[in-house]
Amino acid sequence: AQSVTQLGSHVSVSEGALVLLRCNYSSSVPPYLFWYVQYPNQGLQLLLKYTSAATLVKGINGFEAEFKKSETSFHLTKPSAHMSDAAEYFCAVRTNRDDKIIFGKGTRLHILP
Amino acid sequence: NAGVTQTPKFRVLKTGQSMTLLCAQDMNHEYMYWYRQDPGMGLRLIHYSVGEGTTAKGEVPDGYNVSRLKKQNFLLGLESAAPSQTSVYFCASSFRSGSSTDTQYFGPGTRLTVL
Repeated sequence: AQSVTQLGSHVSVSEGALVLLRCNYSSSVPPYLFWYVQYPNQGLQLLLKYTSAATLVKGINGFEAEFKKSETSFHLTKPSAHMSDAAEYFCAVRTNRDDKIIFGKGTRLHILP
Repeated sequence: NAGVTQTPKFRVLKTGQSMTLLCAQDMNHEYMYWYRQDPGMGLRLIHYSVGEGTTAKGEVPDGYNVSRLKKQNFLLGLESAAPSQTSVYFCASSFRSGSSTDTQYFGPGTRLTVL
């Protein structure tokens, strides 16, 4: 069965600094990987997804993630943090054998002025 | 398009009471899901449906029932609410593409408190 682990339930970065949110996955077959963002009091929305077409995936709001099979990782990055990036971020995985997406426990990103 | 809508937005129940949460989507999606979100637990799948008239259990199905009588609606029922069911409930829907790279679209959530 597949799973994801997000390292760090809370991450704080200064405005303008690099954002790095870590996600490691476990899957016995090639995975599809997702990052979702949840702003306060809202539902989740898709940031980006890996579908095996390219290992570096660009998403909305300047975020990107790189699929590294050797490290079983799919870390989310943004070169320069903005106050509006403060939210909770979820990594998720599924395979083509499943109808379900498995979500990680989430990482809350805090932006310091 | 309204996307995915959930009714109600907030609800307070007493232990033992019953209620139904309604999810509606206007995107003609085949798949629909119910999740609960609790602090530090991420999203956990309760039940899901891969088409009208079909439902399946997710990770935490106990204490909940669902029905998908119409393609656009997915109902989540609590027959006898318990304080452990205090949570935020999210509905989601998606297409089922041949390559299985579907994106889930989420509703705004229902905040339920059981006293």
